[in-house]
Amino acid sequence: GAGVSQTPSNKVTEKGKYVELRCDPISGHTALYWYRQSLGQGPEFLIYFQGTGAADDSGLPNDRFFAVRPEGSVSTLKIQRTERGDSAVYLCASSSSGGVDTQYFGPGTRLTVL
Amino acid sequence: KQEVTQIPAALSVPEGENLVLNCSFTDSAIYNLQWFRQDPGKGLTSLLLIQSSQREQTSGRLNASLDKSSGRSTLYIAASQPGDSATYLCAVRNTDKLIFGTGTRLQVFP
Repeated sequence: GAGVSQTPSNKVTEKGKYVELRCDPISGHTALYWYRQSLGQGPEFLIYFQGTGAADDSGLPNDRFFAVRPEGSVSTLKIQRTERGDSAVYLCASSSSGGVDTQYFGPGTRLTVL
Repeated sequence: KQEVTQIPAALSVPEGENLVLNCSFTDSAIYNLQWFRQDPGKGLTSLLLIQSSQREQTSGRLNASLDKSSGRSTLYIAASQPGDSATYLCAVRNTDKLIFGTGTRLQVFP
């Protein structure tokens, strides 16, 4: 595609539920990143994929958060037993080969946990 | 641990003014620094990227400078316009991840 796309654009869920957020990177980009942006804050790094593997998952806050990228393209961020504190905008970015390449961001998914 | 700070947090100016947004970081061992624009409810648009070996980058009315040794960058916007109203974020590249500041919310009024 022309840019990074994310679905859904908005997700409202109840505390304790499971959610999946999807990211479609720019075609051909091998590196994919997830960030989380809370209200009034800058984005915070969650996880970085190089191909199918997670090269750095040091930003995942706890074991309720998990992400996959099984075919090296689309990625899914999975959150179990959601809590109100998980409410944020989840941003995805991709770059052509990682390293210091420019990261291109998607529009984000706004997650609201009631 | 790298920390990025942006000052001011918010800025409101009349159209036509030249303005400066500030970004500081605590660890000078960075690969590059990037300025982004974020419109409400939207993702991030990259404005300028300065490599660690560079001192400045320019694009149109925007000029970004980098002083790595002092841990500072500035984004200069010339002749501001209402369409420049947005949140401006700076981010430093630390290995593969970007570390962001909290942003400066800019409003330019006619």
